[in-house]
Amino acid sequence: EIVMTQSPATLSVSPGERATLSCRASQSVSANLAWYQQKPGQAPRLLIYGASTRATGIPARFSGSGSGTEFTLTISNLQSEDFAIYYCHQYNKWPFTFGPGTKVDVK
Amino acid sequence: EVQLVESGGGLVQPGGSLRLSCAASGITFSTNYMSWVRQAPGKGLEWVSVLYSGGSTYYADSVKGRFTISRDNSKNTLYLQMNSLRAEDTAVYYCARVADYYDSSGYGGPGAFDIWGQGTMVTVSS
Repeated sequence: EIVMTQSPATLSVSPGERATLSCRASQSVSANLAWYQQKPGQAPRLLIYGASTRATGIPARFSGSGSGTEFTLTISNLQSEDFAIYYCHQYNKWPFTFGPGTKVDVK
Repeated sequence: EVQLVESGGGLVQPGGSLRLSCAASGITFSTNYMSWVRQAPGKGLEWVSVLYSGGSTYYADSVKGRFTISRDNSKNTLYLQMNSLRAEDTAVYYCARVADYYDSSGYGGPGAFDIWGQGTMVTVSS
């Protein structure tokens, strides 16, 4: 099983600033990596797939990069609605696995 | 509009059974990969099972032999039959569509979970 790790566990950011979230895979997943946003009481929402492609309707302030084992999600000009938990997810190999999440909260 | 609506959750005793349903509108199950993902209270996401459009099924080791994924194409509904339930199965269960992914070689297979239902809570407790 491919183990996904995320850092930091919590990231405190002020509105308007940039947030940089990291995700690491225990073995290469090529670019088969997705990012999701989850707010309390809601289902996850797909933000990024293919490591860097924004899903339909996702604002341009969300960007993804990386390949192999190291990935980054960057949120520029953080808006109030962006405070949430973010999960990375590899779909390179079954079982598909998720990272433990990074909580982005208000500084 | 594409929508997935789960139902069937509730309180069940350890060792009991429950069947979850996921009704779809705007998509056709028979031509999509569909999956169940769960989230224990206060915890992260865990993939549970997938049903390929061709009928193949796969399960997480934690549920293998106890859970069964299936679909009724005529009702456009996905199911998760859960038997021999344990306390550690307590979670919100989401159904999700698995998008196809493509790379430089062409079609790559099942990819990200692009559409999610709102979830249904399953509590296993005596």
